[in-house]
Amino acid sequence: DGGITQSPKYLFRKEGQNVTLSCEQNLNHDAMYWYRQDPGQGLRLIYYSQIVNDFQKGDIAEGYSVSREKKESFPLTVTSAQKNPTAFYLCASRSTGGNYGYTFGSGTRLTVV
Amino acid sequence: AQSVTQLGSHVSVSEGALVLLRCNYSSSVPPYLFWYVQYPNQGLQLLLKYTTGATLVKGINGFEAEFKKSETSFHLTKPSAHMSDAAEYFCAVSDGNAGNMLTFGGGTRLMVKP
Repeated sequence: DGGITQSPKYLFRKEGQNVTLSCEQNLNHDAMYWYRQDPGQGLRLIYYSQIVNDFQKGDIAEGYSVSREKKESFPLTVTSAQKNPTAFYLCASRSTGGNYGYTFGSGTRLTVV
Repeated sequence: AQSVTQLGSHVSVSEGALVLLRCNYSSSVPPYLFWYVQYPNQGLQLLLKYTTGATLVKGINGFEAEFKKSETSFHLTKPSAHMSDAAEYFCAVSDGNAGNMLTFGGGTRLMVKP
């Protein structure tokens, strides 16, 4: 079945460490997105990519980095510059050929220890 | 610019009662509208969407929503709540520009009392 796979489901980071969250899709979707979700808050856009080897900053890009070397993959690195990284991270994708909304992964919960 | 407002961050209903979750949007062009549901520690799942055509849209799990252009609303309803409906619900809008990105509302947590 086609879908989006995020891994790991739970991730623990020590202070000062960089960590990378994986997002892989086999839907042949062109666009991919990363959102951050904090308790009681909505979704905030971190980065998005409309095409391979191109990506744009969202509303809260500081302290994060991404790459888009393959259509299927859009990993997110949470750097040590991100002062409050504990959150639930969601990856999404969509086909730019139609207006059919996003398909979401199941999320990664990142906790700083 | 487009925006979405969900009235009520928390809604509580009794099992069997009507569910009504409110969503108002602003968009400079005809909108595409979506409702998503999120269960704890999971991603968002599409409930239903409006793109064109019939303004009353039926989705999964017995939910439906009606696009009312004059009221710029897309409220989500279900005639009879079930315990399994307890979740967070997000309304979203896309206006077909800026790469068809979705703008999300702040979410409404639905609680269902036995």
